[in-house]
Amino acid sequence: AQSVAQPEDQVNVAEGNPLTVKCTYSVSGNPYLFWYVQYPNRGLQFLLKYITGDNLVKGSYGFEAEFNKSQTSFHLKKPSALVSDSALYFCAVRDISGSARQLTFGSGTQLTVLP
Amino acid sequence: GAVVSQHPSRVICKSGTSVKIECRSLDFQATTMFWYRQFPKKSLMLMATSNEGSKATYEQGVEKDKFLINHASLTLSTLTVTSAHPEDSSFYICSARRDRGDGANVLTFGAGSRLTVL
Repeated sequence: AQSVAQPEDQVNVAEGNPLTVKCTYSVSGNPYLFWYVQYPNRGLQFLLKYITGDNLVKGSYGFEAEFNKSQTSFHLKKPSALVSDSALYFCAVRDISGSARQLTFGSGTQLTVLP
Repeated sequence: GAVVSQHPSRVICKSGTSVKIECRSLDFQATTMFWYRQFPKKSLMLMATSNEGSKATYEQGVEKDKFLINHASLTLSTLTVTSAHPEDSSFYICSARRDRGDGANVLTFGAGSRLTVL
């Protein structure tokens, strides 16, 4: 069975500082990894994905994530946080041999960027 | 880019009534759509996979007679919560799969529907 862990329910960071939202995963084979962001009372918006290739993936709004196979991690990062980045962030994973139905979401991390 | 429209965004109904939520892919065809339920401060729980032209596939523990799903066209799936009760109050989100050619099938999500059953 596959799973995703987001160990932090809440992350607070000052505006202008770098931010990291942690994600570790477990799949039987090779993973497809995703980050989504959710603003209050909204659906999820796609940020970035890792399929294959370069371990450092760049996505929307200046976010990036690094795939680390040995640590089974896919942490989300941004060099300089903005107040508008405050939202709920979800990491998701599925095995490349699986289907979209088998996408597993983490429990979410609430990011608050303080002005 | 791919857009999924979900309607209504908010609905309040009386206990015992039925509520229909629509999910439309606006600029692409989606043979498969997904319905999720999200509780406060919780992750998304996949309820069912909606398949165009065939019956939906429900996840374990989801009552198919309670949550009716119809996927009548390549751009529209509907979720009907029948005989709604207060415990059905939740945030329901749909998503559609668009084949981006890379095999990863990134999902595009609707904005969600907040259901409150009085």
